[in-house]
Amino acid sequence: AQSVTQLDSQVPVFEEAPVELRCNYSSSVSVYLFWYVQYPNQGLQLLLKYLSGSTLVKGINGFEAEFNKSQTSFHLRKPSVHISDTAEYFCAVSDPGAGSYQLTFGKGTKLSVIP
Amino acid sequence: GAGVSQSPSNKVTEKGKDVELRCDPISGHTALYWYRQSLGQGLEFLIYFQGNSAPDKSGLPSDRFSAERTGGSVSTLTIQRTQQEDSAVYLCASSTTSGGANTGELFFGEGSRLTVL
Repeated sequence: AQSVTQLDSQVPVFEEAPVELRCNYSSSVSVYLFWYVQYPNQGLQLLLKYLSGSTLVKGINGFEAEFNKSQTSFHLRKPSVHISDTAEYFCAVSDPGAGSYQLTFGKGTKLSVIP
Repeated sequence: GAGVSQSPSNKVTEKGKDVELRCDPISGHTALYWYRQSLGQGLEFLIYFQGNSAPDKSGLPSDRFSAERTGGSVSTLTIQRTQQEDSAVYLCASSTTSGGANTGELFFGEGSRLTVL
């Protein structure tokens, strides 16, 4: 079974500073990778996804992530964060070879942007 | 509506009571999921429905939990004889397929927050 590790449970960062949220997954087989964001008292929404092709994926709100197969990582980055980026971020993986329908989520990283 | 709708948004119940949580997916989405989100635990998969196929119930934590999906649309998650450890946010999501394959992109509702006293 797949597993996802988000190494940092909380990340504080000053406004306009860069940020990287780390994500590693367990399997080296072909996978689909996702980052979701959850704002306070809301459901999750998709930030970006990697299905195939270019390993650098760009998403909404200026976020991007890079798929690294050899390191089984899919770290999320933003060059300059805004107060409105304060939220919880979840990395997720699915296995298309096993039907791809079930997403396995990490435990989340709470990003706090400090004015 | 345009998105996934869940009700109730908040539910407080006494230990031992039964609760029902409802999910109305995006129209036309064939796949429906229930996840449980507990503090510090991330999202835990509970159950998955795809079209008319038998549901994948592998994530249900005990036989007190059950779910059904009527007419391939609305789903109800039922928790019988609730326990305090059932307190969590229950998230519903739906998705569609592309080229016959589920790409795994889920559209989530805002969740039902269950508190068991």
